[in-house]
Amino acid sequence: AQKITQTQPGMFVQEKEAVTLDCTYDTSDPSYGLFWYKQPSSGEMIFLIYQGSYDQQNATEGRYSLNFQKARKSANLVISASQLGDSAMYFCAMREGGTGNQFYFGTGTSLTVIP
Amino acid sequence: ETGVTQTPRHLVMGMTNKKSLKCEQHLGHNAMYWYKQSAKKPLELMFVYNFKEQTENNSVPSRFSPECPNSSHLFLHLHTLQPEDSALYLCASSQDIGRGPGGTQYFGPGTRLTVL
Repeated sequence: AQKITQTQPGMFVQEKEAVTLDCTYDTSDPSYGLFWYKQPSSGEMIFLIYQGSYDQQNATEGRYSLNFQKARKSANLVISASQLGDSAMYFCAMREGGTGNQFYFGTGTSLTVIP
Repeated sequence: ETGVTQTPRHLVMGMTNKKSLKCEQHLGHNAMYWYKQSAKKPLELMFVYNFKEQTENNSVPSRFSPECPNSSHLFLHLHTLQPEDSALYLCASSQDIGRGPGGTQYFGPGTRLTVL
């Protein structure tokens, strides 16, 4: 089974609107970390936000927030007030507690912001 | 916060060449990683080093040979590559290899490799 699933290959959003990028994960480890990255066409992976499995509150970083639903094993990224510069690939990733060396990435979602 | 540099940014090599990719991190991290990113595929973790010691080798062919002389530098030596090895090779570093925020990986800009 895939550890990280991103079911939206491509998404479009109007500038200044909010958008949610979906991510579900699979683990039996009670301790894990969830991460979101942005990859513009230049190629560099840019870290956006982190959520720990024991964190009580949803993580927020500026315009990024993570909608963490532990029972559903989902960790959706919400981008508010979209900007043209947000157009990029977005990757969800997970690191489990017991096998910390492994960092699992999803296949990504391509986001296009429309002016 | 990028703090991770990679050289060269682009590399074209023949199947019989030997070349090396270099990665340097300026973040004071203890762990470094090599990833391969091919089109239409998830990122593939290749190697992990923690405090200069290799802790992970994800069944990578021996034509890829990593070297980590210290916690700030990581190399990927390439020899006798195949055309299917053409990809974006990304280096990353993290404070530690845990599941907490210290395990957050910070990536370099990547080396775009083309094998002819």
